[in-house]
Amino acid sequence: GAVVSQHPSRVICKSGTSVKIECRSLDFQATTMFWYRQFPKQSLMLMATSNEGSKATYEQGVEKDKFLINHASLTLSTLTVTSAHPEDSSFYICSASGGTLHEQFFGPGTRLTVL
Amino acid sequence: AQTVTQSQPEMSVQEAETVTLSCTYDTSENNYYLFWYKQPPSRQMILVIRQEAYKQQNATENRFSVNFQKAAKSFSLKISDSQLGDTAMYFCAFMYSNSGYALNFGKGTSLLVTP
Repeated sequence: GAVVSQHPSRVICKSGTSVKIECRSLDFQATTMFWYRQFPKQSLMLMATSNEGSKATYEQGVEKDKFLINHASLTLSTLTVTSAHPEDSSFYICSASGGTLHEQFFGPGTRLTVL
Repeated sequence: AQTVTQSQPEMSVQEAETVTLSCTYDTSENNYYLFWYKQPPSRQMILVIRQEAYKQQNATENRFSVNFQKAAKSFSLKISDSQLGDTAMYFCAFMYSNSGYALNFGKGTSLLVTP
């Protein structure tokens, strides 16, 4: 099956700093990538959808200036959490779709802890 | 808005027994996809089974099968011959084209398989 990686798997940062999370499709070209956030004991909530070469589409309530998403190539999307605060601590998961949009492949997730 | 409801926050089943997880959804769409995902303690999202709404036949994948009732907007997951490795969070999810093929998840059901 298709493989999606995320890096880093865990990150701890100080409040006010920025953190970049990478999502890569390793063996297929991902025309669309999705970013989800999962708080402890909760479900996955969609943050944004990004298409290669286009601006990301953000869900209502997600600050686009705080969560910068770049999808510059068909195998890489990045999520940058700018000026992170403790309330941004969460598990961030990306998924990627290739030619068949109803098939999504998930990365292993990134646990962000903001001190 | 599309909503996905999982009314069972927690369930348990003995090894080798059968368990059914419930899921209902609300939509005015006619063409959509439904999924069951498993999230073990590693937090990697794993696709269990997928159902296309236009297909009347219920999807099956080895020990996993669904009961898809389109008119009732119900999509339950049956796990037969439960195994200890089935212990995980199970999320029901809905997808349709107008959402950009993003997944809309239910709140999840925590399944514990006991020896």
